[in-house]
Formats: sequence, structure tokens, C-alpha cells
Amino acid sequence: GNSVTQMEGPVTLSEEAFLTINCTYTATGYPSLFWYVQYPGEGLQLLLKATKADDKGSNKGFEATYRKETTSFHLEKGSVQVSDSAVYFCALSGGAGGTSYGKLTFGQGTILTVHP
Amino acid sequence: IAGITQAPTSQILAAGRRMTLRCTQDMRHNAMYWYRQDLGLGLRLIHYSNTAGTTGKGEVPDGYSVSRANTDDFPLTLASAVPSQTSVYFCASSDRWADTQYFGPGTRLTVL
Repeated sequence: GNSVTQMEGPVTLSEEAFLTINCTYTATGYPSLFWYVQYPGEGLQLLLKATKADDKGSNKGFEATYRKETTSFHLEKGSVQVSDSAVYFCALSGGAGGTSYGKLTFGQGTILTVHP
Repeated sequence: IAGITQAPTSQILAAGRRMTLRCTQDMRHNAMYWYRQDLGLGLRLIHYSNTAGTTGKGEVPDGYSVSRANTDDFPLTLASAVPSQTSVYFCASSDRWADTQYFGPGTRLTVL
């Protein structure tokens, strides 16, 4: 079955530091890949996505590239802000014949804390 | 546009009691989902519905039931709550032909 593995957290950075959160996946076929963000006390919001190999998703300064050869979708940001403090989830959808109608498989989440 | 609303925001429940978590969306999405979020485990799918009148089991369906009488509402019922069902529950929806899911604010449930 499908699975997603994220780097262990929590991650603590100073403002303006470079961020990488690793994500690798296991799936058959050609899944779509996502990063969701959860701010304190809120539900999940889509941060970015990529639907095919070599696609780069980007939003709010965050980027991730769909690497089929390494089955990875690492999240990066060049200069983090205090407001980026949140929990980040990598997820995949489909991949097994495309019949999942968007059912998501999530990683365990990575807590990011950014200090001034 | 409200998106997805969930009720209640939080609830403390005695073990053995019946509880229904409510979820309503106003985006006319065909597909809806229920997840539970537990520390270190991410989100796990409980049940889903691809369209009104149909439901399916997710990864952790035991002890939960759902119904989808119309497009907008997707209630989750715990017939006889147990402490292991203490969790934060999220409802989500997506357009049938797209795969971006939109999440509600969650319900924090504590079963004692």
C-alpha cells in the first residue's frame, strides 16, 4: 500500500535560516504529492502540490520538487519567518490505478518552530 | 463562503456514550472524508464518501460509522465511545475530479 515518511521533528530554526523537511514515499503508479500546513489551533491547509514527475510546487516561498527516481518530495524555504511556525505534513494521493478519488495518505508531521 | 464547518469544537465524553460529530460543507464537493489526528501518527482516514448515498471504509474504521444523505453533510458517529477514541477529528472535502482536499477546523474529543 501507499506510505509516506517524513523526517523526524521537531525542527527549531532562527529567523531567516534555510529550511528543509525531507519526505519520501512508497506508492505504485503515479501519485500526486502534497504538502499541507497546520497552524496552531487550526485545520490543515494545502501549501503546495505536484501531480507528475519533475513538477515543482511552490507557494509563499516554499518549494518542493517531485522526484520519481528518488521517490522524494522534500520541502524547502530559503528564509523562514516566525510566522512559518506550524506543523507540516507530506501526503500523497492516488498512485494505485487512480481510483482513490483523492484519498490522502499522510506522513506523521514535522513540527517547525522559528525563533526571532 | 464558510467552507467546512464542524461541531462541536470540543467535547468531553464518558466511555460508553454515543456521540455524533457534525460536518457541513458549502462548496458542493462530491467527496468527503473523516480523519483522526494523533500525535506522532499524522492523520489517518476513518471513512470517506465519494458522493451522496455512498460511503467507504478508510484505514481505521472500527468503532465509527458515517452516513451521507445529501451532498453537504457527513456526520461521524461513535456508537459506544472508548478512551482510545480520544483524538482530534478533521472533516475534509474535495471535488470528485480533483484531489486537493479542504479541511474543517477540527473537533477535539476526549473520552474518559
